[in-house]
Amino acid sequence: AQSVTQLGSHVSVSEGALVLLRCNYSSSVPPYLFWYVQYPNQGLQLLLKYTTGATLVKGINGFEAEFKKSETSFHLTKPSAHMSDAAEYFCAVSEPRANNLFFGTGTRLTVIP
Amino acid sequence: DAGVIQSPRHEVTEMGQEVTLRCKPISGHDYLFWYRQTMMRGLELLIYFNNNVPIDDSGMPEDRFSAKMPNASFSTLKIQPSEPRDSAVYFCASSVGFSARSPLHFGNGTRLTVT
Repeated sequence: AQSVTQLGSHVSVSEGALVLLRCNYSSSVPPYLFWYVQYPNQGLQLLLKYTTGATLVKGINGFEAEFKKSETSFHLTKPSAHMSDAAEYFCAVSEPRANNLFFGTGTRLTVIP
Repeated sequence: DAGVIQSPRHEVTEMGQEVTLRCKPISGHDYLFWYRQTMMRGLELLIYFNNNVPIDDSGMPEDRFSAKMPNASFSTLKIQPSEPRDSAVYFCASSVGFSARSPLHFGNGTRLTVT
């Protein structure tokens, strides 16, 4: 069975500081991994995804994530936080060739001016 | 591209009433998903359709919930009778295929409050 764990339901950073949102997964096969972002009163939007190939994946708005198989992690980072990054972030995992997608419980990012 | 359109954006109803949520997926998308989001349980998949056919409804909480997709451009999620514990934000999403190459496109959700 697959699952996703996001450590920290709330993360606060200062504007300009590094953003690090943690995601660990469990999967019996090499997974596909995703980060989605949800701005207030909106639906989720895809931020980036890992399927195969390069383990460092770049997404929109300067975010990137690295797939580390040995650590079963897919942490999301951004070098310098902007006020506009304040949102809720969801990590998700799916199994290749299987019609499923499991979301984590989300991490709310607050950016302090 | 208008995106996934959900209506209404907000619904307030009394316990016992019927509630119908509506969704128009992106044209050409062959998968449609209904999710429920609450603080306690996070994002839960309720049901999904492929080419208008329900594929997996194992996430539907109980018989009070039903979903239909009469055609490729319209789906409904109905709760009858509604209960206060059904209060949540309900999202519809659509995609082309169901794979990593096909990200989900979410609507802006319907915030349901049952008093």
